[in-house]
Parts: sequence; C-alpha cells; structure tokens
Amino acid sequence: AQTVTQSQPEMSVQEAETVTLSCTYDTSESDYYLFWYKQPPSRQMILVIRQEAYKQQNATENRFSVNFQKAAKSFSLKISDSQLGDAAMYFCAYRSVGYRNKLVFGAGTILRVKS
Amino acid sequence: EPEVTQTPSHQVTQMGQEVILRCVPISNHLYFYWYRQILGQKVEFLVSFYNNEISEKSEIFDDQFSVERPDGSNFTLKIRSTKLEDSAMYFCATRAASGSPLHFGNGTRLTVT
Repeated sequence: AQTVTQSQPEMSVQEAETVTLSCTYDTSESDYYLFWYKQPPSRQMILVIRQEAYKQQNATENRFSVNFQKAAKSFSLKISDSQLGDAAMYFCAYRSVGYRNKLVFGAGTILRVKS
Repeated sequence: EPEVTQTPSHQVTQMGQEVILRCVPISNHLYFYWYRQILGQKVEFLVSFYNNEISEKSEIFDDQFSVERPDGSNFTLKIRSTKLEDSAMYFCATRAASGSPLHFGNGTRLTVT
C-alpha cells in the first residue's frame, strides 16, 4: 500500500519570504499523481497544485511550485513571496492511476506566516 | 465555478443515533468519495463509489456505514449507530474522469455526544 510522509509538523515563514514543505512517499507503481492541498482554518480542502509522475517537468502554479524527484520519491512544495493568506495546514497526497484511485494523504504540515 | 455541496455543515447527534450526511456532486462528475478527518489528524479515505456501487472501502468503513445515490443526484453517507469516535469532519469529494482532479465539498462537522 502507498504511504505519504510529511516530516515537518509545523513550519514558519516571514511574509514575502520563501518556504519549502517536504513530502516523501512510498510506492511500487511507476505512474501516479501527486497533489498538495491547502486546508485553511475554515477546513475547506483546496487543491494547490498537482503533478503527473510521467511528467519530468515540475508543476508550477503562480507562487507555488514543486520539486518532484521521482527516483527519490520526494515531492516538496515551494511557496514564494509568502502571504498571510497562505497560513494553513498543507497536505501532500498520492493517487494511483486507474480504477482503484483513492487519495492517500500525509499527516499535514501547519504553515504559519509572520508579518 | 461549479462546486460540491454538503449538508448540513454541522450535525450534533447522540451516541447510538443514525445520521445521514448529504452531498450534491458537480453535475458531470462520475466518481464519488467520502473522507473523514478527526480533529487535528490526517484526512482518511472511507469509501469510493462509481457506477452506482462501491468500488473501494477502507477498514474504517465497517457495517455501521453505508453509501447510496438514491435519486441520481444526492450522494449520501449513513452512519447507522453513531459512536463517540465518529466525531469528525466528513468530506465528500467528486471528480469527472479518471485523470481529473478531485473537488472537495466544504465538509460536515459531525459531533457525537
């Protein structure tokens, strides 16, 4: 079974600075999807960014980008120019390709943004 | 932008009572999921539903849980006899096709007293 590990329970960043959240995963599959979800205090689950494993190019979405290292099974999220609204819990998630394709979540990282 | 709608937003119930959590998926979505998040913990998969049947369920999804899509629109999660440990945020999520991203509803906070 796939597992997702987020080793940083909490991170802090100064407003306008850059922060990187770590995620590693374990799988025997060669093709899959990886995601970062943001959960603000309202507890909504908001998709931040996604990466297809077959794509070598790292996904980017405005101030959010990933560093996808397939061989190392690592999928970190970089947030540039951090804003107060970025403060939230961030979950890394894995999903298989195909029929049995539930999301498997990591434990989450709380990101605090200081003004 | 279309969204997944969950009702109620908050449900308080007594231990042993039945609860039904409701979800209205985005209209062209075919894959439906329920996830659970106990306060302060990770989001856990409960069940997936496709083509009017369960396609996968987790160990959490025991005989006390059931899902159905009774009228072709609402997707419901029923807990037959709630326990204190069922207190959690329950998220419905849906997607259109195999490779599409998952869209989450805003969740139902279930409190069992």
